[in-house]
Amino acid sequence: AQSVAQPEDQVNVAEGNPLTVKCTYSVSGNPYLFWYVQYPNRGLQFLLKYITGDNLVKGSYGFEAEFNKSQTSFHLKKPSALVSDSALYFCAVRSPAGTALIFGKGTTLSVSS
Amino acid sequence: NAGVTQTPKFRVLKTGQSMTLLCAQDMNHEYMYWYRQDPGMGLRLIHYSVGEGTTAKGEVPDGYNVSRLKKQNFLLGLESAAPSQTSVYFCASSKDTFVSGNTIYFGEGSWLTVV
Repeated sequence: AQSVAQPEDQVNVAEGNPLTVKCTYSVSGNPYLFWYVQYPNRGLQFLLKYITGDNLVKGSYGFEAEFNKSQTSFHLKKPSALVSDSALYFCAVRSPAGTALIFGKGTTLSVSS
Repeated sequence: NAGVTQTPKFRVLKTGQSMTLLCAQDMNHEYMYWYRQDPGMGLRLIHYSVGEGTTAKGEVPDGYNVSRLKKQNFLLGLESAAPSQTSVYFCASSKDTFVSGNTIYFGEGSWLTVV
């Protein structure tokens, strides 16, 4: 069965430092992977996706993610964190039939000034 | 652009009451979804629809029913509310399947408390 795991419930970084939010996946077939962000009391917003091609995917708000097939990982990164990046981040993978997204449990990112 | 709109945004129910959450999208999307979000559980798929007149069960369908009578609307019903259904409910839509990596668009959420 398709699944994603986010091993960290919370990630704390100082503003200006690089950040990484981890995601590992387990899929049969080609992985279609996504990152979404949720700000307080709001719906989820799309950040980026990996379908095929370059292992480094660039997305919204300066975020990027690196697809690593050997480590079955799709970690979200940003070179320099902003306080406004503080939010809940979800990794997701498409379901086997391609009809829905399966989400991880989420990682809370807290950026301190 | 309205995108995906959910009503109501907040609701308090007594155990055993019924209610319907309405989701409307104006993007002419074929696929629509209902997820619930609980602390430490992430988002879990309740039901989804791949087109007008179709529905399918997701990961946690028990206690819920859905209908997709019109392409733009997807209704989620709670037949007899239970405290375990206290959650934040999100509706979402996408143009097509995720085979080609289509993006899913979310509504702002509906906060439901069952007492």
